[in-house]
Amino acid sequence: DAMVIQNPRYQVTQFGKPVTLSCSQTLNHNVMYWYQQKSSQAPKLLFHYYDKDFNNEADTPDNFQSRRPNTSFCFLDIRSPGLGDAAMYLCATSRDQSQGSSDEQFFGPGTRLTVL
Amino acid sequence: RKEVEQDPGPFNVPEGATVAFNCTYSNSASQSFFWYRQDCRKEPKLLMSVYSSGNEDGRFTAQLNRASQYISLLIRDSKLSDSATYLCVVWASGTYKYIFGTGTRLKVLA
Repeated sequence: DAMVIQNPRYQVTQFGKPVTLSCSQTLNHNVMYWYQQKSSQAPKLLFHYYDKDFNNEADTPDNFQSRRPNTSFCFLDIRSPGLGDAAMYLCATSRDQSQGSSDEQFFGPGTRLTVL
Repeated sequence: RKEVEQDPGPFNVPEGATVAFNCTYSNSASQSFFWYRQDCRKEPKLLMSVYSSGNEDGRFTAQLNRASQYISLLIRDSKLSDSATYLCVVWASGTYKYIFGTGTRLKVLA
């Protein structure tokens, strides 16, 4: 049973044409993450939500925005995709970590973005 | 210095071999440690969490050395299906962020 679902699995867009990627989870986890992963590189954290609190990484371009309307859903908006934004976008969740240790993250299958 | 460092490999080993990967981390406040496996063009999947006492799951053994700030993964009796990239992941309290190493590529050869 899928626990972290990403749609679409493959997205093709044109240079500069806005695109939205979606992520949903059935785990009821507090924390949701968006990563960008390019070939042969580690996943790069773009931002994360702790409940409704949004945390942007300092080096995430303004071109990338996110919304979390409720616990289950999170969206990644790329306002003006460039050729350099072609990558796999991974959504992940984890449980509340306020107890000082952490369980693992659960990843969705990813959305592979192509920019023409 | 990167927060989490791994040898990118590739490690090319014959079937049945034993192979070990190390990962070093720089933040002494790190509290949780994981090995993930990632197949080509797929998402990372948890292989095992790493506990202070060390832990074993079948052919896989993970160890943590807090004094030297490294974790290790040992794979015994390698199978062709073990071919993948192995990501070392570290979490420190207060950040809610998981820090990834660049991954170590393993190719098990017939």
